[in-house]
Amino acid sequence: SAVISQKPSRDICQRGTSLTIQCQVDSQVTMMFWYRQQPGQSLTLIATANQGSEATYESGFVIDKFPISRPNLTFSTLTVSNMSPEDSSIYLCSVTTGGNGELFFGEGSRLTVL
Amino acid sequence: GNSVTQMEGPVTLSEEAFLTINCTYTATGYPSLFWYVQYPGEGLQLLLKATKADDKGSNKGFEATYRKETTSFHLEKGSVQVSDSAVYFCALDSGNTGKLIFGQGTTLQVKP
Repeated sequence: SAVISQKPSRDICQRGTSLTIQCQVDSQVTMMFWYRQQPGQSLTLIATANQGSEATYESGFVIDKFPISRPNLTFSTLTVSNMSPEDSSIYLCSVTTGGNGELFFGEGSRLTVL
Repeated sequence: GNSVTQMEGPVTLSEEAFLTINCTYTATGYPSLFWYVQYPGEGLQLLLKATKADDKGSNKGFEATYRKETTSFHLEKGSVQVSDSAVYFCALDSGNTGKLIFGQGTTLQVKP
């Protein structure tokens, strides 16, 4: 298993600003993922954060909008850049610790953009 | 592409009622299937999973059987409790990659 801490847990942001979300895991993990959960909708994978290389983005998500860092095997950040109200969502960090496909999730960071 | 469809909620039941939340999927190959649960104020956590056809996942009285012939993974519980009130997500992983595709979630409310 893995325990994941995310910061901030929630924030209210102004349009045009950027916010960085931090994800800390209590053990070393190879794969970390960032998901978005828009209001009333399901979770959508934004990108896979790879340690030692650039993140891999899913269709519809780009590095300029969602830059990701992965400096080591226990930590990652996701930045939401030049925010608009459409970016109001819960952003979740998740990790997998083995080959069985099970994901462990942080409690999420709820962003509201005014 | 791959997708997951869940029955729409919210689902409201009385305590001790029988629960079914339908989940169907579209995927190539043989995906792994999951049910995740999100209790109020908490993060998502794995409820149960099945990795091949006819497997039955079970946990906390919940069950789901991987039905390849109907591409379904319906969640069932014989007698729900108030503490089961949560949002339930069906999900698949088509390549054991950790990249999950989620259904839209179903809110369950159990009344005493």
